[in-house]
Amino acid sequence: QVQLHQWGAGLLKPSETLSVSCAVYGGAFSGYYWSWIRQSPEKGLEWIGEINHSGSTNYNPSLKSRVTVSVDTSRKQFYLYLSSVTAADTALYYCARVLLDRNAFDIWGQGTMVTVSS
Amino acid sequence: DIQMTQSPTTLSASVGDRVTITCRASQSISNWLAWYQQKPGKAPKLLIYKASSLESGVPARFSGSGSGTEFTLTISSLQPDDFATYYCQQYNSASPWTFGRGTKVDFK
Repeated sequence: QVQLHQWGAGLLKPSETLSVSCAVYGGAFSGYYWSWIRQSPEKGLEWIGEINHSGSTNYNPSLKSRVTVSVDTSRKQFYLYLSSVTAADTALYYCARVLLDRNAFDIWGQGTMVTVSS
Repeated sequence: DIQMTQSPTTLSASVGDRVTITCRASQSISNWLAWYQQKPGKAPKLLIYKASSLESGVPARFSGSGSGTEFTLTISSLQPDDFATYYCQQYNSASPWTFGRGTKVDFK
């Protein structure tokens, strides 16, 4: 059974770079896109970006200038970096698997709460 | 971006009730619509994909319908485990993935 486990720093200061990692256990890494999604009371669920095993990425245009998603296929891990964070980036960040034939997110990580505060 | 509008925001119901949640897209998304259930402290769980296909392991009391811009999620007979928040999500190649703001189903 595929599981996603994620981790990252929980408290950042404004202007710092957010970093969250996600590891895939119990299933294939190739053949899927792997996404980052965040959730906050203000914006609800917001898709951030995605990557596949070969490193092809897609980003939400609203965040594209600050987002980098990368992958380490040998470790079956992918990563989110969000630069120049502000309080508006405070949210629960999820990694998730994309099923391309369904265009839906079928497996989710447990979530990483990130708070931006001076 | 394609905007997803869910209604109602909150729905009060009792066990055994038939419950219907609506999701409207700001432009046509064909049948690329998914529904998720989220409980407090948990990640969303996929229920329905391609508007009407039931995800494996999801009880048959959940069903979805619609195409184009209008979609519905129906719970035929609400069970105690179904009290949660439900979200719709769209896919369209010309837009980033977007979600509705959610419908909370609580006890009447």
